[in-house]
Amino acid sequence: DIQMTQSPSSLSASVGDRVTITCQASQDISNYLNWYQQKPGKAPKLLIYDASNLETGVPSRFSGSGSGTDFTFTISSLQPEDIATYYCQQFRTFGQGTKLEIK
Amino acid sequence: EVQLVESGGGLVQPGGSLRLSCAASGFTFSSYAMHWVRQAPGKGLEYVSAISSNGGSTYYANSVKGRFTISRDNSKNTLYLQMGSLRAEDMAVYYCARGSFNRGAYYFDYWGQGTLVTVSS
Repeated sequence: DIQMTQSPSSLSASVGDRVTITCQASQDISNYLNWYQQKPGKAPKLLIYDASNLETGVPSRFSGSGSGTDFTFTISSLQPEDIATYYCQQFRTFGQGTKLEIK
Repeated sequence: EVQLVESGGGLVQPGGSLRLSCAASGFTFSSYAMHWVRQAPGKGLEYVSAISSNGGSTYYANSVKGRFTISRDNSKNTLYLQMGSLRAEDMAVYYCARGSFNRGAYYFDYWGQGTLVTVSS
């Protein structure tokens, strides 16, 4: 099975900061990597699919990049409503999650 | 509007059984594979099970294989998860999710609100 290693596990940043989360696959997965946002008590929400494609309705401050084994998720300017846990996913495997907090 | 609504969660004793349901609306249910993903309290997301659009193919994580059964009724637009021999480690919020393809990636584009399964004596 493919393993996904996501880092960091937690992150504290200020409003307006650029935030970056990484996800590394244990083998080449091409572009087949997705990112989700989960707010407390809510279901996960798809933000980015196929590494870099923004889901409809998702703000443009969210972006993704990468291919092969190394992927990056970026929030260009952190907003208070972005406080959540973020997960990468490749098919049946989820990353461990990154809990994002406001400094 | 796509909606997925889970039900059937609750308190069950270790070794007991429970059946979860996921009622779908707003899309052609019979055209999509469906999935169950769970989240233990304070933990991350764990993939549990999947079923193809016509029900002919299923998948189970090793952690639930032989104890859980996924099924669907396309005439009722409903997904099920029959859970048996429940253990403390099965306690979690269970989400149903719709699977979709686009540009090669497989992702879960719609999720239900989740239903909590508590396993305790």
